[in-house]
Amino acid sequence: ELKVEQNPLFLSMQEGKNYTIYCNYSTTSDRLYWYRQDPGKSLESLFVLLSNGAVKQEGRLMASLDTKARLSTLHITAAVHDLSATYFCAVASRSGSARQLTFGSGTQLTVLP
Amino acid sequence: DGGITQSPKYLFRKEGQNVTLSCEQNLNHDAMYWYRQDPGQGLRLIYYSQIVNDFQKGDIAEGYSVSREKKESFPLTVTSAQKNPTAFYLCASRVTGDTEAFFGQGTRLTVV
Repeated sequence: ELKVEQNPLFLSMQEGKNYTIYCNYSTTSDRLYWYRQDPGKSLESLFVLLSNGAVKQEGRLMASLDTKARLSTLHITAAVHDLSATYFCAVASRSGSARQLTFGSGTQLTVLP
Repeated sequence: DGGITQSPKYLFRKEGQNVTLSCEQNLNHDAMYWYRQDPGQGLRLIYYSQIVNDFQKGDIAEGYSVSREKKESFPLTVTSAQKNPTAFYLCASRVTGDTEAFFGQGTRLTVV
């Protein structure tokens, strides 16, 4: 059974600071996704990482994937208040002929002024 | 505009009632999924479907049922057998393969 662990679960950071969220997973996969969720809202796709060594950047967020270490990171550069949200990673796995997505528990990020 | 539509946005259920949550997509996606989210938690997979007339149980299927009679539609029924149904329910779809899943806006179900 695929397990996906994120840490930290809660993160408070000052505006302008840098920080990294980690996503570890338990079985082989080369497909990993990052999502953002605002309170009471649905999930918004941020990044799709499809191969070992993949790196994607959008604004102050950068995601990377190391399939050998079974690790993805979401790096936040010079945080601003608008980045406050919950961030989820999701890992694709196969069950028979189907692909499932298994989600981590999420990292609740609060950016303080 | 293409997208995934869930309805209703809020739903109240009395004890012992079955309720059905609607999920429609016009993205021409093959795969559709239902997830449950409890406060402060991640998403847990209830059911998923890769093609019409076929679906598989996820991690927490007990007390739920689904159908996939049309490619565009994947309704979820929360039966009276689900003892703790109060949660936020999210429907998603994706093209089978490596693409990301796209989510609807969710249905918040509350037992009264």
